[in-house]
Amino acid sequence: EVQLLESGGGLVQPGGSLRLSCIASGFTFSSYAMSWVRQAPGKGLEWVSGISGSGGSAYYADSVKGRFTISRDNSKNTLYLQMNSLRAEDTAVYYCATCQVWGTGWCNYFDPWGQGTLVTVSS
Amino acid sequence: DIQMTQSPSSLSASVGDRVTITCRASQSISSYLNWYQQKPGKAPDLLIYAASTLQSGVPSRFSGSGSGTDFTLTISSLQPEDFATYYCQQGSSTPLTFGGGTKVEIK
Repeated sequence: EVQLLESGGGLVQPGGSLRLSCIASGFTFSSYAMSWVRQAPGKGLEWVSGISGSGGSAYYADSVKGRFTISRDNSKNTLYLQMNSLRAEDTAVYYCATCQVWGTGWCNYFDPWGQGTLVTVSS
Repeated sequence: DIQMTQSPSSLSASVGDRVTITCRASQSISSYLNWYQQKPGKAPDLLIYAASTLQSGVPSRFSGSGSGTDFTLTISSLQPEDFATYYCQQGSSTPLTFGGGTKVEIK
């Protein structure tokens, strides 16, 4: 069974840092690009960042570029998101998701998703 | 960036109704359009990818159509378990972007 399990969320002060992890199982992790998608309370979905299967290419939304860093350890089947200089507007549930490709590009759609981890940025 | 606009933002419908949700892209995305269902407190689930391909295990009452900039998600006969929020997402170019969501509520 394919499974994604996020951890690392919590309460952090503005300007602080947090590292999220997502452990994958049930598929060949290194063969798939991965992404982080977030959802602020009561709001819609926002793609945050993605990384190729090898880890050689990383992609970021403008809203987090320069503050967040995505990485992966294929030997541990684990995806990471290092979040620095956190702001109140980064408060959200963060989901990791497996990228699927049916055409061109590095990621066409997301399936499956993890259950999410809540990040709250507040003083 | 490609903007995705969904309409309506919410709708009320009865069990058995036919429901249609639309999604418009700010520029052509060919068939790189996906639909997700999200229930409260849960992660989104993929319903349809490549505009019209039903994900394995998804009931056949769900269907998708469209190409270019205009797309539609149709639920042919709404069931109690279908009350949820639906999102479209474009997979044509980075940044990958979602529509604002359509909340389907019980009338």
